[in-house]
Order: sequence, then C-alpha cells, then structure tokens
Amino acid sequence: GAGVSQTPSNKVTEKGKYVELRCDPISGHTALYWYRQSLGQGPEFLIYFQGTGAADDSGLPNDRFFAVRPEGSVSTLKIQRTERGDSAVYLCASSLTGAGGSYNEQFFGPGTRLTVL
Amino acid sequence: AQTVTQSQPEMSVQEAETVTLSCTYDTSESDYYLFWYKQPPSRQMILVIRQEAYKQQNATENRFSVNFQKAAKSFSLKISDSQLGDAAMYFCAYTQGAQKLVFGQGTRLTINP
Repeated sequence: GAGVSQTPSNKVTEKGKYVELRCDPISGHTALYWYRQSLGQGPEFLIYFQGTGAADDSGLPNDRFFAVRPEGSVSTLKIQRTERGDSAVYLCASSLTGAGGSYNEQFFGPGTRLTVL
Repeated sequence: AQTVTQSQPEMSVQEAETVTLSCTYDTSESDYYLFWYKQPPSRQMILVIRQEAYKQQNATENRFSVNFQKAAKSFSLKISDSQLGDAAMYFCAYTQGAQKLVFGQGTRLTINP
C-alpha cells in the first residue's frame, strides 16, 4: 500500500515569503506528526495531531509556524515570513493511533527540503 | 525533559565485520520505548529495531541486535555481518508510547568494501 507522501520534495523560497508543506498520511492513520531536521542533526518534534486536533504543539518554535489537519487526514504545515534559519528538512510521520499508552509505529515520509535564500 | 545522546558522530567498519553504535538517554519514567532508525540519503526514516523498557530481553532483528541496560540508561545497536547497504545515518530515539519521538544527533556509518 501507499506510504506517507510529502509535497513538494524540495522548496526554495526567499526570506520573508510564505510557504505551505503538505503531508498525506497512510490511509486510516489517525495520528500525524511533524518534525524538523536541520543539517547534521536529528529530527526535532514540532506538532502532533490526533484526528483533526493538535494534541501537542509544544515543538512549534514561534508563531510564524502553524499546522492544520481539517479533515483528519491531510495536514499542511504553514510558515509565515520565512527566515534563513527555517531552512531544514521537514518530516511527516503517521501512526494508527496516538491515543492511550501503547506505542504504534510511526511511519515517515521522505520529507520536504526547504531552502530559504 | 527527556534527552537522547549519541556520542559517535561517525563510525566505519569493514564489510562483513561487526560494529556497535552507542546511545544513552535520560528519563525519569519507568515505562518507555527505545528505537534505532536508519536514514539513507533518500531521507526516509526506516525503523531498524525497537525495545520496550519493561522487557528485559534484548531485541533482535536478523543482523541487528541491541544491548539495553535500563539502569545505566544505555541502548547500543550491534550490526553483525555489515553490508554495503547498511551505510546510512543511524538515529537512536525515545518515546513514552503515544508521544513524540525524541531523537539523538545521529551517527554516520560508513561500510568499507
């Protein structure tokens, strides 16, 4: 079956511009996660959705970053007034459910490489 | 806050040999999960192996095994019979179930033919 897909694969933008990054999770997965991976670093958590609602947005660095998942499937990460420091690979992952204490494997997409000039 | 530390930025091994990647973590919780992920140049994070903290037995997956030392908060990955396809970045990660993954800084593994 299809895995997690992310579009675009690469995005180049200019400082100050607005960008949207899209994530299509595996069908039926209710939990969706966004991570940011700077060059040479491990991924860092940004936000986690359970269904349509953000269950944990503690990783969003500031109010320029916002994410939505209006129908509980596709999610969009939105970055306003981009800065050069936002350049990174943005990874999305989904899992069957995030509810409860047990673990369900997170399946990752290939990421979107964002470059802010 | 939980932290994960990988102290080896780079490792190399001869093809067919064995290599061990190190990971330590810090948590005050008793119930959690630990993982090793592989990230090739394609950027896709691939789960290699996982360990539940309540299990005393070390996890194994074919050529991959872990040495989980709960008291020492250590979680190393052993790759036996290394193959060229094993070359990648390897990340150690921690979670408490239905929560975010906390990743280490990564170890770049090179396989020498």
